[in-house]
Amino acid sequence: AQSVTQPDIHITVSEGASLELRCNYSYGATPYLFWYVQSPGQGLQLLLKYFSGDTLVQGIKGFEAEFKRSQSSFNLRKPSVHWSDAAEYFCAVASPNAGNMLTFGGGTRLMVKP
Amino acid sequence: GAGVSQSPSNKVTEKGKDVELRCDPISGHTALYWYRQSLGQGLEFLIYFQGNSAPDKSGLPSDRFSAERTGGSVSTLTIQRTQQEDSAVYLCASSLVGMNTEAFFGQGTRLTVV
Repeated sequence: AQSVTQPDIHITVSEGASLELRCNYSYGATPYLFWYVQSPGQGLQLLLKYFSGDTLVQGIKGFEAEFKRSQSSFNLRKPSVHWSDAAEYFCAVASPNAGNMLTFGGGTRLMVKP
Repeated sequence: GAGVSQSPSNKVTEKGKDVELRCDPISGHTALYWYRQSLGQGLEFLIYFQGNSAPDKSGLPSDRFSAERTGGSVSTLTIQRTQQEDSAVYLCASSLVGMNTEAFFGQGTRLTVV
């Protein structure tokens, strides 16, 4: 069965600092990979996705993620964090044969210091 | 509609009562998913509808949970004889069917069982 691990439950960074959120997955082949963001009381918004091709993907709000097959990782990065980025971030995987039946990681809550 | 719509946004119910949660997917999206987000369990897949195919119910936690999708559009998630552990946010998502698609999430229904 597929699984997703986000090792960091909470991360605090200063505004303007760089950010990297870790995501490791377990899956027999190359899955579809996603990062979602959830602000308090809101639904999930897709930041970026990887299906195939270029392993560095660009998303919205200045985020990017890199798929590393050898490490089974799909870490999310942003060069300069803004206070509005404070939210919870979820990494997810899906089988290419199962549409968008997503398996989520436990989430990482990002706090931004002024 | 412009996005996935869920109703009600909040529901408080007494233990033992039945509840119905509604999801209106994005027009034209033939795939619909229900997920549950709770403090102890994170984000869990519940059920997946795709067109006229039999739904994938593999994520439903007990036989008290059921869902239907009428006319390939609106879906209702029903929880019978609610228990306190059913308290969670129930998220609905919809997508097109096929490779390289993404799911769009509603704002969720927060269910509180007292």
